[in-house]
Amino acid sequence: QVHLQESGPGLVKPSETLSLMCSISGGSMSHHYWTWIRQPAGQGLEWIGRLHPDGSSNFSPSLESRVTMSVDTSKNQFFLNLKSLTAADTAVYYCARVAAAGSFEHWGRGILVTVSS
Amino acid sequence: DFQLTQSPSFLSASVGDTVTITCQAHVDINKFLNWYQHKVGQAPKLLISDASTLQIGVPSKFRGSVSGTNFTFVITDLQPEDIATYYCQQYNEMPLSFGGGTKVEI
Repeated sequence: QVHLQESGPGLVKPSETLSLMCSISGGSMSHHYWTWIRQPAGQGLEWIGRLHPDGSSNFSPSLESRVTMSVDTSKNQFFLNLKSLTAADTAVYYCARVAAAGSFEHWGRGILVTVSS
Repeated sequence: DFQLTQSPSFLSASVGDTVTITCQAHVDINKFLNWYQHKVGQAPKLLISDASTLQIGVPSKFRGSVSGTNFTFVITDLQPEDIATYYCQQYNEMPLSFGGGTKVEI
């Protein structure tokens, strides 16, 4: 069974960069896209972007200028960097595996990130 | 950005009821739409892919269908454990996107 777990700081300051890691177990990273999704408090799900280990990627236009994603297949880890943070970036951040059909078939439990000074 | 209009945003029903949620795409998306259940404090769960394909292990009380650009998600025999927010999600074009969600309460 594929298992994903997000980790990182729960509190970051405005203007700083958020760095999150997704640890994956129970499956290979090589043949899938991996994605980050977030949910601001009281709001719906927002897709951030996706990355394939072969380097293919797509990002939300609203976040693309601030987002970097990377993978370390040797450690089964997937990373998100989001720079120039504001309070609007406060959210629960999820990592997920993308099925071939474009659905998000396996999710982590999410990590709450608060942007505040 | 892609327009995916989900309605209603909130739904209150009784135990045993059948509830219906709709998701309308502004263009033809070739049935490339999924449905998720998101319970508070949990990871979202994929219930239905490709508009109508029930995922393994998901009860048949959940059903999806499509007519043109209008997608329908139905829960029959609503139970307390079905309390959640439900989302549609399209993958026909980039950026991938979700509907606004439907909060289902009893």
